This record gives sequence, C-alpha cells and structure tokens, in this order.
Amino acid sequence: QVTLRESGPALVKPTQTLTLTCTFSGFSLSTSGMCVSWIRQPPGKALEWLALIDWDDDKYYSTSLKTRLTISKDTSKNQVVLTMTNMDPVDTATYYCARMNCIAAAGIDYWGQGTLVTVSS
Amino acid sequence: AIQMTQSPSSLSASVGDRVTITCRASQGIRNDLGWYQQKPGKAPKLLIYAASSLQSGVPSRFSGSGSGTDFTLTISSLQPEDFATYYCLQDYNYPITFGQGTRLEIK
Repeated sequence: QVTLRESGPALVKPTQTLTLTCTFSGFSLSTSGMCVSWIRQPPGKALEWLALIDWDDDKYYSTSLKTRLTISKDTSKNQVVLTMTNMDPVDTATYYCARMNCIAAAGIDYWGQGTLVTVSS
Repeated sequence: AIQMTQSPSSLSASVGDRVTITCRASQGIRNDLGWYQQKPGKAPKLLIYAASSLQSGVPSRFSGSGSGTDFTLTISSLQPEDFATYYCLQDYNYPITFGQGTRLEIK
C-alpha cells in the first residue's frame, strides 16, 4: 500500500525558509522509474507543480520558482525534502507531495493529504 | 514551459448529463496527459493517464481522448459524486504543467 505524508510548519514568517518533508511508504525511490513531485495549491486557486526528484537523483523545478527551491531525497529514510527560500504571503498554500512513475508515464497516482502553510508575520 | 489551457473554466450540468471538458497544449505532447478530479479539502485523484487510459478503480463513465495538442475528458452520465473540479496535467517534459481547472457545478 502506497502512502505519502507531508510534514512541516503550519506558519512561517515572510523572508523565512520553508522546509517540508514527504515521508512515504509502499515504494522505493531507488526503484527505476519512481519519482516524487511537490505540488501546491493556494486557497481557492489552481494546482501548481513545483519540483520533482527521480530515482536517479535528477531534479527538475518550476521555471518561475527554481531560484528558490531545492529538492532532495533520503532513500534510506523514504523521505523527500523540499526547501523554499524567501517565503512571501503569496506562497500561502496547501503543499502536496505525490508519486509518479516517470518511465511508465502513468500519471501522478498517489498523493499525500497535503499540508497547509500560511505565510504571515 | 508548455501551457495547458482548459475550457470551460466552469460548467453547470445536471445529474445524467453528458459532459465534455477540453484541454489544449501550447505544443505537441504526444499522449502524455492526465486528468484529475479534486473535491473540496481533498487531494486530487487520478482519473485518466496517457490521455485515454482509465486508472484502476475509476468508473467507466469517465473517458479521455486526444493526442498532440487537443484532449478531452468526457463523463458520459453525471453522477452526484462527480461534481468537483477537474484538472489536466502534461508530463511530456519539464516543467510539468497543470491546466487552470474546470469547476463542475450542479445546475
């Protein structure tokens, strides 16, 4: 059974760095084809893809946010970490981590429940 | 980045109606497109992958078609539980991009 769970602070101040952790089970990020993405959704707005890390440790980022994002993985702990620097109130959103098979092109098949991050002083 | 344009942005329909939502890519993406359903307060759910493949467990009233730049999601007979927001997503190349969503409301 595949599960993903996001964890991190619910509240951050403007200019601070946000660190979110995705802890997953039921698959391994060392398995060929496995990838984990971060996606966010501001309240009442559309989904926005942020970043992806694959089984081979290749990393991909949103064009508009790539200077602020870093994604990494700890395969032994089944975790993926996303950091976002210089947080602003417009970054208030629910942040999701999700799994996809980057080789099979079978979509994002499992999602975490999401974690709401509010940016406010 | 590839832009994904969904239409309509919102739609009112009745139970039993046939509904079609479209998604257009700014460049060809083969069939590397998925459709997702999202209900309020919940994570999105994969309905269709590779443009036309039905995800396991998804009712057969959902279907997808298209290739290249133009794609459609069809719900053949709307059920009460289908009223939600629908998103397309391309994973042809990076950055991955979503459509802006289609809100399906009860008429």
